[in-house]
Amino acid sequence: SAVISQKPSRDICQRGTSLTIQCQVDSQVTMMFWYRQQPGQSLTLIATANQGSEATYESGFVIDKFPISRPNLTFSTLTVSNMSPEDSSIYLCSVGTNYEQYFGPGTRLTVT
Amino acid sequence: DQQVKQNSPSLSVQEGRISILNCDYTNSMFDYFLWYKKYPAEGPTFLISISSIKDKNEDGRFTVFLNKSAKHLSLHIVPSQPGDSAVYFCAASWQTGANNLFFGTGTRLTVIP
Repeated sequence: SAVISQKPSRDICQRGTSLTIQCQVDSQVTMMFWYRQQPGQSLTLIATANQGSEATYESGFVIDKFPISRPNLTFSTLTVSNMSPEDSSIYLCSVGTNYEQYFGPGTRLTVT
Repeated sequence: DQQVKQNSPSLSVQEGRISILNCDYTNSMFDYFLWYKKYPAEGPTFLISISSIKDKNEDGRFTVFLNKSAKHLSLHIVPSQPGDSAVYFCAASWQTGANNLFFGTGTRLTVIP
């Protein structure tokens, strides 16, 4: 398994601002993912963070709103841009092996 | 469109009894299924998985059953313990392995001492 940490653990932000969430893994991994869990909803995949190239976004998510960086095999960031109250969610990063995905503790974002 | 569904938002079980959590899916392309447990303020923790070539996988107190014809899977916990109280998510993937997971909405299990 992998140990995954996220910063910040929570934040309260004003609408129109941006927040960058960091994800750090204790070992090199090929696959890293970013998910969102809106209140009362299931986890939804935002994008796959690819090392050395642009992230691959799922339907309904765009790079301008959720830019992602993946500078190396142990670190990634997700930025939530121009936030609105609808962006209030838990954001989670995960890393994948062939048979499991391991999740970080999540970042709870509240937009006022 | 929710491709993975957990129709029971909550379940209460007495300690020592069996807990059965159910999950249904609609996409016949899914061939790999996982169960996660989530405590408040923590990320989901992987529990157990099953490939579509099997109909049962067991790991200690946890057993997952897969019925492909019914597009249904279930997680059995025997015996249930108070520490099992958490939200349980099932997830599915159409790639062999665990990339691009589709999650259900979760079932909150409460094990009563």
